[in-house]
Formats: sequence, C-alpha cells, structure tokens
Amino acid sequence: GAGVSQSPRYKVAKRGQDVALRCDPISGHVSLFWYQQALGQGPEFLTYFQNEAQLDKSGLPSDRFFAERPEGSVSTLKIQRTQQEDSAVYLCASSPRVGGEQFFGPGTRLTVL
Amino acid sequence: EDQVTQSPEALRLQEGESSSLNCSYTVSGLRGLFWYRQDPGKGPEFLFTLYSAGEEKEKERLKATLTKKESFLHITAPKPEDSATYLCAVQAVSNYQLIWGAGTKLIIKP
Repeated sequence: GAGVSQSPRYKVAKRGQDVALRCDPISGHVSLFWYQQALGQGPEFLTYFQNEAQLDKSGLPSDRFFAERPEGSVSTLKIQRTQQEDSAVYLCASSPRVGGEQFFGPGTRLTVL
Repeated sequence: EDQVTQSPEALRLQEGESSSLNCSYTVSGLRGLFWYRQDPGKGPEFLFTLYSAGEEKEKERLKATLTKKESFLHITAPKPEDSATYLCAVQAVSNYQLIWGAGTKLIIKP
C-alpha cells in the first residue's frame, strides 16, 4: 500500500516568507508526528496529533510554527516569517496505534535564503 | 533528561566483516526503543522495536538486542547495500515522541 507522502519535496523561501508543508499519512493511521532534521543529526520532535487533536506541541521552536490536522488525516505544518535557522528537512511520520512504531515520509527539504 | 547517544559516529567495514553499533540511553521509563535505517535524501525506515531488557529481534543480517542502559545493532556478514545511517530512538512512557541519537554512518566496502 501507499506510504506516507509529503509535498513539496523541496522548498526554497526567501527570509520572511510564509511556507506550508503537507503530509498525507498512511490511511487509517491515528497518530501523526512532525520532526525537524538538521544535516548530520537525528530528527527532533516538533508536534504530535492523535486523530484531529494536537496533543503535544512542546517541540515547536517558536510561535512562528503552527501545525493542523483538521479532519484527522492530512496535516499541514506552517512556518511564518521564515528565518535562515529554519532551514532543515521536515519529516512527517504516522503510526497505526498510540505508542507504536512510526512510519516516515521522504521529508521536505526547506532552504531559507 | 531523556537522552540517546550512538557510537561510533561512522564505521567503515569490508564486505563480510561483522560488527556492532551501540545505542546508550537514559529515559524516565522506557516504553520502547526503535532502530531505523536512513538512506541519503530519504526518511527513516523502520527496522525494529524492543520493549524490555533481554529482548532480541532479527531481520536478515541484522540483530538488535536491549539491556537496561543500551542497545546493540549487530550486523553479520554485511553487504554494500547495508551502507546507510542507522538511527536509534527511545520513547518514554510519559509521552509518544521519539528521542533520537545522531546516528551511525555505516559504509560497507566491496
């Protein structure tokens, strides 16, 4: 079956622009996670949804970062007024059950100039 | 503070030369320890979940083991296609996020 998909795969933004990154999880997966991965590092947690409820947003680095999953399926991570330090790969993962293994999409590479 | 440390940072092996990767962790109550493989330009690919000390899991040339303080990923007679970065992550009982190590970059030379 289809895995987790993310779009766009690559995004170049000028500093100060707003960006929106999309995640399509595996159908039926209740849990959805966003992570940020810097080059040569492991992913870092941003936020977590169970169905449409955002249960943990403790990893969002600033109030410029906002995530939503309004119908409990597709999720969007929005970054307002992008800064150079936002440049990273943004990974989305979904899980079929609470606390289970997470399955990752290919990521969106964001470059802020 | 929950923390994961992986060693070595990089490992170069000849094809067929077996070795082990280490993942040391501190966590306030372990829900699970996860191993993933990541190829360049791709997202992490799930390999194993371990839940309790003494547990072992195998898949092809890979075997993962778990103690109360660390996990090992043993690779037996590796092939060039096993070259990748191997990531370890823990999940605490208090939440569902994964806390990740920085990974071990494994290179298998033919």
